[in-house]
Amino acid sequence: ETGVTQTPRHLVMGMTNKKSLKCEQHLGHNAMYWYKQSAKKPLELMFVYSLEERVENNSVPSRFSPECPNSSHLFLHLHTLQPEDSALYLCASSQDGVSGANVLTFGAGSRLTVL
Amino acid sequence: GQNIDQPTEMTATEGAIVQINCTYQTSGFNGLFWYQQHAGEAPTFLSYNVLDGLEEKGRFSSFLSRSKGYSYLLLKELQMKDSASYLCAVMNSNYQLIWGAGTKLIIKP
Repeated sequence: ETGVTQTPRHLVMGMTNKKSLKCEQHLGHNAMYWYKQSAKKPLELMFVYSLEERVENNSVPSRFSPECPNSSHLFLHLHTLQPEDSALYLCASSQDGVSGANVLTFGAGSRLTVL
Repeated sequence: GQNIDQPTEMTATEGAIVQINCTYQTSGFNGLFWYQQHAGEAPTFLSYNVLDGLEEKGRFSSFLSRSKGYSYLLLKELQMKDSASYLCAVMNSNYQLIWGAGTKLIIKP
């Protein structure tokens, strides 16, 4: 496989469930990102990892917990979510975490619905 | 605050030309990006402008004026497959990407 792969593509969960989103990149990139995309709103950056270390956390609620075990894999652990957390969660990677021409390669996203 | 403004939705005709505008107010500037996102798919990179002027890439061109805080994406010879959302994003002086809400482009036959 090439590019950025996200699983599952669709997820429905109750507010008391625990689930995880998985992201894998096969591009040899050093930085990985989690974004939240809601209808008609700008992309919201949630977490950034560079060389497997978290470098940015944009005040995301603790019910979202990221994990980056290596430079190719990124997880987003979910627990006790709220209905307003329903959105498309996009994973992305880039060659570097900080640079001007920092082109992001996105996965197709995980569509999350919280009941 | 920092913000990016772009139209919510635009409609154009197959074979025509459309210009999608993006205005920005950010703390510093380290480049402007355009991404294309088809429904249910990943956003994909289209263009990057850091200097003023026009960058042409096939049917797509992107223009930047840093003094005006303004960019546009020009799509020529529109095809049905160009129906998508177009996302404008600016990298500020802290190398943070500030995103617009996207412009949904509808192409009609």
